Amino acid sequence: QQQVKQSPQSLIVQKGGISIINCAYENTAFDYFPWYQQFPGKGPALLIAIRPDVSEKKEGRFTISFNKSAKQFSLHIMDSQPGDSATYFCAASDAGTASKLTFGTGTRLQVTL
Amino acid sequence: DTGVSQDPRHKITKRGQNVTFRCDPISEHNRLYWYRQTLGQGPEFLTYFQNEAQLEKSRLLSDRFSAERPKGSFSTLEIQRTEQGDSAMYLCAIPTGGFQETQYFGPGTRLLVL
Repeated sequence: QQQVKQSPQSLIVQKGGISIINCAYENTAFDYFPWYQQFPGKGPALLIAIRPDVSEKKEGRFTISFNKSAKQFSLHIMDSQPGDSATYFCAASDAGTASKLTFGTGTRLQVTL
Repeated sequence: DTGVSQDPRHKITKRGQNVTFRCDPISEHNRLYWYRQTLGQGPEFLTYFQNEAQLEKSRLLSDRFSAERPKGSFSTLEIQRTEQGDSAMYLCAIPTGGFQETQYFGPGTRLLVL
């Protein structure tokens, strides 16, 4: 059972544009929602994270929007740069189950010049 | 640098052989997690330790897999009688910064079973 659904599978954005990646979850016990960035051959790197008591969190060019009632959250990358080209994973965890992470299937982002 | 090293970074083995991976956090952490990532997929939880105790194992962790954390610091993951389906990236993660839910991943060990 896939508990975190991520879309789109791949995304091509022009330099300077906005990249938007969406995730939906089913388990209402989830209480922590991080986004990870992964380059080929590397481990996932934490990008930004949010808890369900806030609807939005911004760090630099990266913003998470969170809709608790819809059980959805999204990552917005403003002013996308070629260096942002990577695979992005949303994830969710529940402190009641040792905070083990459940990941989405990933979005491969390509930022073109 | 996430504070986690993994060794080896790459491993090629023949089907039926045993392999062992190691995860070394730079500093002490009471929790340590193992995940597996197959090509084109997100990481999947395998198991985690609270100090020396292995508290949960995923159904993905068959009897051929065993993990240890003998002194509550480094951890090893062993796969016996490897199968081609074991080919994946094996990732170790630790919580950092005082929040158990914030996990930082090591660079991973990529296993290829021929």
